[in-house]
Amino acid sequence: GENVEQHPSTLSVQEGDSAVIKCTYSDSASNYFPWYKQELGKGPQLIIDIRSNVGEKKDQRIAVTLNKTAKHFSLHITETQPEDSAVYFCAASLYSTLTFGKGTMLLVSP
Amino acid sequence: GAGVSQTPSNKVTEKGKYVELRCDPISGHTALYWYRQSLGQGPEFLIYFQGTGAADDSGLPNDRFFAVRPEGSVSTLKIQRTERGDSAVYLCASSLTAGLSNTGELFFGEGSRLTVL
Repeated sequence: GENVEQHPSTLSVQEGDSAVIKCTYSDSASNYFPWYKQELGKGPQLIIDIRSNVGEKKDQRIAVTLNKTAKHFSLHITETQPEDSAVYFCAASLYSTLTFGKGTMLLVSP
Repeated sequence: GAGVSQTPSNKVTEKGKYVELRCDPISGHTALYWYRQSLGQGPEFLIYFQGTGAADDSGLPNDRFFAVRPEGSVSTLKIQRTERGDSAVYLCASSLTAGLSNTGELFFGEGSRLTVL
C-alpha cells in the first residue's frame, strides 16, 4: 500500500518568515495530494490540494509543488502569522482513501 | 450549514466493554470515512462507505471493529471487547463522492476521543 513520509516533525519560525514542509510517497499511481491543517482539539481541515496533472498551485500565502518523477510534494507558507501555528498533514490518494503523513507541528513566534 | 457531527466527543470505558461511536455526515455526501488518530500521529484509515455499503474495510485492525451505515447517512463504529490499545481519537469524514481525485475535499468532524482504562 501507499506510504507517506513527512519532514520535519516540528518547525519553529519567526512571524513573517517562510515555512516549508516536505513529503514523499511510495505509490507512483497516486494522483491526488491534499494538505490538511489541524488545530488542537479539532478535526483536520483542507487548506490546499494538488492533482497529478499540475506541478504547482498557489492560494494567497500558501503554495504546493509536486514532482511526480521524484514522488515529492511540498507545502510552502510565506509571511507566516501566529495563527498559522498548528499541525500540518500531507496525504496521498489513488482514488478513494487518503494515506497521511505523521504531521509537522508548526510554531510561529510573534 | 452543518458540518460533520460526531458523538460522543469523549468516551471513557473499561477494558472489555463495548463502545459505539456515531457520525452524522454533511447532508448529501454519499461517501463516509472512519479514521483513527493516535497521539502524535496522522489519521489512519479504517473503513469507508459509498452509500450504505462498505466499499473498503481494509483498515479495520481486527474483527472487534465493525461499522454500519444502514440508511446511507448516519454511521456507527462499533468496538467490542475494548483494549487499552484502542485508545485514540476516532475521526469521521464525509465527501460528496468517493472519487477524491475528482471531487476533492474530505470534511472531517472533531472526533470522538476514546479512552480505555
